[in-house]
Amino acid sequence: DSGVTQTPKHLITATGQRVTLRCSPRSGDLSVYWYQQSLDQGLQFLIQYYNGEERAKGNILERFSAQQFPDLHSELNLSSLELGDSALYFCASSVGGSGGAKQFFGPGTRLTVL
Amino acid sequence: AQSVTQLDSHVSVSEGTPVLLRCNYSSSYSPSLFWYVQHPNKGLQLLLKYTSAATLVKGINGFEAEFKKSETSFHLTKPSAHMSDAAEYFCVGFGNEKLTFGTGTRLTIIP
Repeated sequence: DSGVTQTPKHLITATGQRVTLRCSPRSGDLSVYWYQQSLDQGLQFLIQYYNGEERAKGNILERFSAQQFPDLHSELNLSSLELGDSALYFCASSVGGSGGAKQFFGPGTRLTVL
Repeated sequence: AQSVTQLDSHVSVSEGTPVLLRCNYSSSYSPSLFWYVQHPNKGLQLLLKYTSAATLVKGINGFEAEFKKSETSFHLTKPSAHMSDAAEYFCVGFGNEKLTFGTGTRLTIIP
């Protein structure tokens, strides 16, 4: 158990809909990272927040957005969903702000878009 | 930018035999490299991290990796495979403030 929690574990929705994925980092960790794992794209970094502020951005679509709240939990919002958004979405956390630090990964949220 | 290439998509070894998972990197700078493991239906776990302090890096569960600048390689090895090692392994580079994952190597252990 990494100490990072993600909810929900599974999510099934329809095209065009909007969903919110939630992540709680390990106690004491200030950085939260979001990743997408799909069969065709592999594992991709989406975005990082550090202590409430956006720190780094990867291949995140404009239809996707994220935020980190004062209690350090984070939410990833996916809107206007398409079939290709079906994937496993991971959250990770680390103590510091550098993405090169050891990251602890949550179990993931599996999103299925029908 | 840091990029990594995993040379094998699938490796099968017998239990008790050595494991070799290959990774090459490309970078104009001194790289930061990692190996992560993903067990079925689980999140990723860090196996080891290259910090440039030593070319031979020891990780968890008996794994180690050797950084070879002349070959731009960072191969992962283990002397004796165990059934519990069956998983997907990712070679990962760090650059431009983000982790870049290789395409993964699925390790199968034959009893």
